Amino acid sequence: EAQVTQNPRYLITVTGKKLTVTCSQNMNHEYMSWYRQDPGLGLRQIYYSMNVEVTDKGDVPEGYKVSRKEKRNFPLILESPSPNQTSLYFCASSPDYAGVSNEQFFGPGTRLTVL
Amino acid sequence: AQSVTQLDSQVPVFEEAPVELRCNYSSSVSVYLFWYVQYPNQGLQLLLKYLSGSTLVKGINGFEAEFNKSQTSFHLRKPSVHISDTAEYFCAVSLGNQGGKLIFGQGTELSVKP
Repeated sequence: EAQVTQNPRYLITVTGKKLTVTCSQNMNHEYMSWYRQDPGLGLRQIYYSMNVEVTDKGDVPEGYKVSRKEKRNFPLILESPSPNQTSLYFCASSPDYAGVSNEQFFGPGTRLTVL
Repeated sequence: AQSVTQLDSQVPVFEEAPVELRCNYSSSVSVYLFWYVQYPNQGLQLLLKYLSGSTLVKGINGFEAEFNKSQTSFHLRKPSVHISDTAEYFCAVSLGNQGGKLIFGQGTELSVKP
């Protein structure tokens, strides 16, 4: 089944404790992206990647890191989480970044709480 | 700067009634337009999209949307809703010249009551 998977789905942690949220897609997509969803703000892009070893900042990159060593994986790293990073996070992938469709396929989400 | 505004944060409606969820965007360049649906505790799923051509776009689950370039709107409609349509709906625009970036509206929570 074609899908985007994220782990963990739920995470409660404390301020300053480094964490990684994994994202993997099995559709051979070039483009991958991370969003955070906050009430009343919709989804905002954190980082995106057009291909392996190519990443760039989205609208809200502060406090986050990403890497793209393999085409299928795009982990999100919080080196020193803070309470304002409590949010619902979505990973998404798309067949290509400059194609006509630009449809993005979303993972199930990771609900992160930073105490 | 490009932006998307969903004019209603919550829309309550009775089952079998028609519904319209409103979306306006601002952009100085051509855009691609999308509606996504998020069911409780799930990720986002594409309902429909407008890329070019006919301004009336039909999607899944009986939804349709009309692109109006002069009013920069892309309102979502369904003639008769079901309880199962209860979800949050997001309008989004994609700028084809910016690496596939999606700009989302704030979301509209559709609540269908029996």
